[in-house]
Amino acid sequence: KAGVTQTPRYLIKTRGQQVTLSCSPISGHRSVSWYQQTPGQGLQFLFEYFSETQRNKGNFPGRFSGRQFSNSRSEMNVSTLELGDSALYLCASSLAGQGGQETQYFGPGTRLLVL
Amino acid sequence: SQKIEQNSEALNIQEGKTATLTCNYTNYSPAYLQWYRQDPGRGPVFLLLIRENEKEKRKERLKVTFDTTLKQSLFHITASQPADSATYLCALDDSGNDMRFGAGTRLTVKP
Repeated sequence: KAGVTQTPRYLIKTRGQQVTLSCSPISGHRSVSWYQQTPGQGLQFLFEYFSETQRNKGNFPGRFSGRQFSNSRSEMNVSTLELGDSALYLCASSLAGQGGQETQYFGPGTRLLVL
Repeated sequence: SQKIEQNSEALNIQEGKTATLTCNYTNYSPAYLQWYRQDPGRGPVFLLLIRENEKEKRKERLKVTFDTTLKQSLFHITASQPADSATYLCALDDSGNDMRFGAGTRLTVKP
């Protein structure tokens, strides 16, 4: 089976712009979670989608949003980019979205640089 | 507030020794705790899962303990090798649907 894929792998944007990142989970997986990883904060939970519904959301401003499609592919959007949004954005998929009971399979991440 | 703290940002040990990494949590009541390995430029990779009613779990050279009274998990790598050098992340479930991660410990095993 193909692993989790994320596109694009690298992105450079300027402040005030918006960005859309894409994640394709492992075939058959219905849950997709998004994380932001920075050297200072580690891996921070953004949100989790299951069957096209957002089930959980972390402590991020409303500029961060996401959605999931019927084929389980997911996108996240960041509007009005700030310098502090520069980070590695990781998505992870799991089969049934049962939290700690299941392995999370991570993609390689999208590295976003905001100038 | 809720916290997941991994003992140190970096740990250096000599090849052949046992590496011990610590994960402490506050204001969580996880039913499961997981450990992941992350190499530079890559996403984390799952290593081990331990349930709240399990004291210890082993897989090859890896051992994890889970003490719900101390609110702590220990992760051991025995007979460490330079190839074990990576960042190790602990994660626990929060409300059953999503995982919360610690900041990680960067392990360097020197030959």
